[in-house]
Amino acid sequence: AQSVTQLDSHVSVSEGTPVLLRCNYSSSYSPSLFWYVQHPNKGLQLLLKYTSAATLVKGINGFEAEFKKSETSFHLTKPSAHMSDAAEYFCVVSLVGAGSYQLTFGKGTKLSVIP
Amino acid sequence: NAGVMQNPRHLVRRRGQEARLRCSPMKGHSHVYWYRQLPEEGLKFMVYLQKENIIDESGMPKERFSAEFPKEGPSILRIQQVVRGDSAAYFCASSPLSENRGGNTIYFGEGSWLTVV
Repeated sequence: AQSVTQLDSHVSVSEGTPVLLRCNYSSSYSPSLFWYVQHPNKGLQLLLKYTSAATLVKGINGFEAEFKKSETSFHLTKPSAHMSDAAEYFCVVSLVGAGSYQLTFGKGTKLSVIP
Repeated sequence: NAGVMQNPRHLVRRRGQEARLRCSPMKGHSHVYWYRQLPEEGLKFMVYLQKENIIDESGMPKERFSAEFPKEGPSILRIQQVVRGDSAAYFCASSPLSENRGGNTIYFGEGSWLTVV
């Protein structure tokens, strides 16, 4: 079984300050991990994914995430928030190999960016 | 290359009516998935289909919900006799492979928002 816990349901930052969205996962096997972003009434856009290559993963729009197996974490960071980053972010885990199409989503973290 | 196309984007149904949601996968993708997002929740897996086959429907409610992916045409998620609790966003996704390995990625559509009144 696998699960994802997003530690904050809502994060608020000022424009130009760093962003940290926290995610812990639980998986019986080596997982693939993803971050997706959802803007209001829009679909999901893949920000980045980890699939057992480099532990520091760079994504789109300046986001990156670090896979830490010892801490079972996959936190999302960005050095400087932009107003357009305001959205909901989902941490997602899947198995590798058979059955990996079943993505398990966290409950999401709403990011607000204050001008 | 068009993305995953879903329609309608918004659908309002009265209790007891039927809702049909359509999904056309990305070009070249033969694997389709449906997910449901309830208010204040993350997405939950419902069903995985390939052409003319349901591969995994472990996330589908046992009654009133069905899905198909015919040889020709889009995938359809059908909800019969809708109830207020069916109000949600329904997301379709597609991928070229079934396994998350290498460059394989699951791509999501923009969702269909169902409101039951």
